[in-house]
Amino acid sequence: EAQVTQNPRYLITVTGKKLTVTCSQNMNHEYMSWYRQDPGLGLRQIYYSMNVEVTDKGDVPEGYKVSRKEKRNFPLILESPSPNQTSLYFCASRHGQGGTDTQYFGPGTRLTVL
Amino acid sequence: DAKTTQPNSMESNEEEPVHLPCNHSTISGTDYIHWYRQLPSQGPEYVIHGLTSNVNNRMASLAIAEDRKSSTLILHRATLRDAAVYYCILRTTGTASKLTFGTGTRLQVTL
Repeated sequence: EAQVTQNPRYLITVTGKKLTVTCSQNMNHEYMSWYRQDPGLGLRQIYYSMNVEVTDKGDVPEGYKVSRKEKRNFPLILESPSPNQTSLYFCASRHGQGGTDTQYFGPGTRLTVL
Repeated sequence: DAKTTQPNSMESNEEEPVHLPCNHSTISGTDYIHWYRQLPSQGPEYVIHGLTSNVNNRMASLAIAEDRKSSTLILHRATLRDAAVYYCILRTTGTASKLTFGTGTRLQVTL
């Protein structure tokens, strides 16, 4: 089954404690991205990657890092989490850059930073 | 990115058709019209997309105005499982092309 998986699904942590949210897709997609969703602000892109070792900032990259060492994985790293990073996070992937490409989303990771 | 405008919310009775409108008056010739929906506690999922012609798939139909400045997502028989936030998005082909989500339309379906 084609899917995007994220782990963990729920995470409560404290300010400053480094964490990583993993994302993996089994569709051999080139393009992957991370979004955060906050009430009233909708989904905003954090980082994206067009292929292995190619990443770039989205609309709200501050406080986040990513890496793309393998095509299937795109982890989101919070080196020093702060309470304003409490949010619902979605990883997504799609085949390429065409206007017809369908984007697949993971189930989400709900992060609370105390 | 070209902007889309959707009503904040709509209601429908179960088993009735639902027409969800979207205005995109600044659409360019290379923009595709995509619709995604987000069910409660889930990630967004693809519904349908089109460029100029009307489109049908197993989930819905997409009617695109002749001038492409508006479109309508049609659910032919709404069910309780269709209750979700529906997003109308314009996609431009390009290397950094991203999905820009607005606030969408929250569809409520009642018995």
